Amino acid sequence: AQSVSQHNHHVILSEAASLELGCNYSYGGTVNLFWYVQYPGQHLQLLLKYFSGDPLVKGIKGFEAEFIKSKFSFNLRKPSVQWSDTAEYFCAVNAGNDMRFGAGTRLTVKP
Amino acid sequence: GAVVSQHPSRVICKSGTSVKIECRSLDFQATTMFWYRQFPKKSLMLMATSNEGSKATYEQGVEKDKFLINHASLTLSTLTVTSAHPEDSSFYICSAPGSGTWETQYFGPGTRLLVL
Repeated sequence: AQSVSQHNHHVILSEAASLELGCNYSYGGTVNLFWYVQYPGQHLQLLLKYFSGDPLVKGIKGFEAEFIKSKFSFNLRKPSVQWSDTAEYFCAVNAGNDMRFGAGTRLTVKP
Repeated sequence: GAVVSQHPSRVICKSGTSVKIECRSLDFQATTMFWYRQFPKKSLMLMATSNEGSKATYEQGVEKDKFLINHASLTLSTLTVTSAHPEDSSFYICSAPGSGTWETQYFGPGTRLLVL
């Protein structure tokens, strides 16, 4: 069965710092990759997704992610975080009719 | 954009009773819906895949007799927690692929269940 690993459980940054959240998956076939964000008290929202094409994907709110097939990775990045980015971030992998989520990374941005 | 609703948003029940949670796709049809359980400080755990017109597919370790899923129509799936126990207290979330594809997955706002 496929699995998704997010290595950072809780990341604390100051505003304007750069962000990179790791995501690795274990599945040998064709996959679709997603990053979701869950702001406090709200439900999951899609940040960005990769299906095919350019492995560098740009999403909303200045986020981007790079798909590196050889490393089975899909890391999320943002050059300069804001206090409003404080949230839980989930990486997800879809293959066929299956979809798996990582454990999530809590991001706390200090003003 | 597409919206998925859940009802109720939170429910408190006594141990031994059953609770039904509804998941509706409001402006699109969903032949497949997913039910997740979110544990504190942990990931979403896929419980089962709800299929319209056929039996749900349960993940390993999920008791199908305890978590009854019925995909009654193309816009409604229900999850019934039968004979609830305190350990069933959790946050339950449903989702559906929009427009029948995986381009976008729409999530419901979740249902907080507390079993006393």
